[in-house]
Amino acid sequence: QSVLTQPPSVSAAPGQSVTISCSGSGSNIGGNYVSWYQQIPGTAPKIIIYDNDKRPSGIPDRFSGAKSGTSATLGIAGLQTGDEADYYCGTWDGGLSGSWVFGGGTKVTVL
Amino acid sequence: QVRLVESGGGLLKPGGSLRLSCAASGFTFSDYYMSWVRQAPGKGLEWISYISNDYTSIYYAASVRGRFTISRDNAQKSLFLHMNSLRVEDTAVYYCARRSGRYQDDGFDIWGQGTMVTVSS
Repeated sequence: QSVLTQPPSVSAAPGQSVTISCSGSGSNIGGNYVSWYQQIPGTAPKIIIYDNDKRPSGIPDRFSGAKSGTSATLGIAGLQTGDEADYYCGTWDGGLSGSWVFGGGTKVTVL
Repeated sequence: QVRLVESGGGLLKPGGSLRLSCAASGFTFSDYYMSWVRQAPGKGLEWISYISNDYTSIYYAASVRGRFTISRDNAQKSLFLHMNSLRVEDTAVYYCARRSGRYQDDGFDIWGQGTMVTVSS
């Protein structure tokens, strides 16, 4: 059971858009920046969003991030077959002894 | 080229010990906080530990606290994870990751390719 809650899967046709939600609490998302990671099967994760809504260089603007209260959202516009991957949200959780937490991951399928 | 390369994974029995290494290149290693993140087969990401750039701040996930020890050698540009009392549930790919900044919620901007640890009787 992950501290951050994500839907297990989302799907859409090429060219369409998807959003992935990430729900937490005041001790994690509510008080900290959120980052998002893309993991193509068999490869290491790659950061695609940091500080809630910023994209590292090289990440296309089809990827967007937002945060409101204790929830965050990743958006992927103009879906491409290469976007098929697992996506994880993550942030610091300042409760108890402190730890970094990830969501359980969302599988994006391009139909 | 900024790069992290893990090594040291393997197959061992429950109760055993192992040391993982992560060699950094292409950036000033001593400027960055570093972490270990693992992923059990078919499962999601689990953060394990981080260590500050100056060795003074260390955090562990509850699942490994007391069994795993993170360390680093800035002169050798290397990160380590000493794992003791290994359990079957520690079976995972272990990733070395660079934290992008000094704040607790700074994301992990560079990841290694991972090293597999299998604990089985």
